[in-house]
Amino acid sequence: DAKTTQPTSMDCAEGRAANLPCNHSTISGNEYVYWYRQIHSQGPQYIIHGLKNNETNEMASLIITEDRKSSTLILPHATLRDTAVYYCIVRAPGGNAGNMLTFGGGTRLMVKP
Amino acid sequence: DTEVTQTPKHLVMGMTNKKSLKCEQHMGHRAMYWYKQKAKKPPELMFVYSYEKLSINESVPSRFSPECPNSSLLNLHLHALQPEDSALYLCASSQDGGFNYGYTFGSGTRLTVV
Repeated sequence: DAKTTQPTSMDCAEGRAANLPCNHSTISGNEYVYWYRQIHSQGPQYIIHGLKNNETNEMASLIITEDRKSSTLILPHATLRDTAVYYCIVRAPGGNAGNMLTFGGGTRLMVKP
Repeated sequence: DTEVTQTPKHLVMGMTNKKSLKCEQHMGHRAMYWYKQKAKKPPELMFVYSYEKLSINESVPSRFSPECPNSSLLNLHLHALQPEDSALYLCASSQDGGFNYGYTFGSGTRLTVV
């Protein structure tokens, strides 16, 4: 699976949009971009995923650049409960290795009042 | 039921003890996973079970022994652990390798080896 690069940490004011970037310049054509987050003392939580189109669900929006080399997770109105480590993961379906979810370093997002 | 339940939540064990971690899900997921997470580090994959058969073992030492008795239950048997094995052990499950709906994780068992 392609490697991802994320900032180590970010701050965001409560009520403002949190924009979390992820670089995946070596992404292959069949690889999807996934985002998970891990709130302190909990297991990771799936947020959203996409291939090349922008995606939105009740939790967040995912914007993928046209060349697919980077993406941004957007939390439109961040709350204190969104304070967590956010992981950007690139993976391809299929095969035994396709059944693996490998976490990188992630971005520690701190939402401040 | 949309949860993965892990028990116990906390465990302290000596280096000569034998203990087991338990993970249960009733979502009909056919893939289940064990991860290990050290403090301030990302989770690391240990084992993958697919249709109750071990499909991936990430070179985990034999003092960790996984078991999948049925499609809803996953155990991790622990024996002769070392203090450096102290960590948060996370269980997860997925419907389709996690591609369309993601993995569902439990809250973990925080293990301390003394």
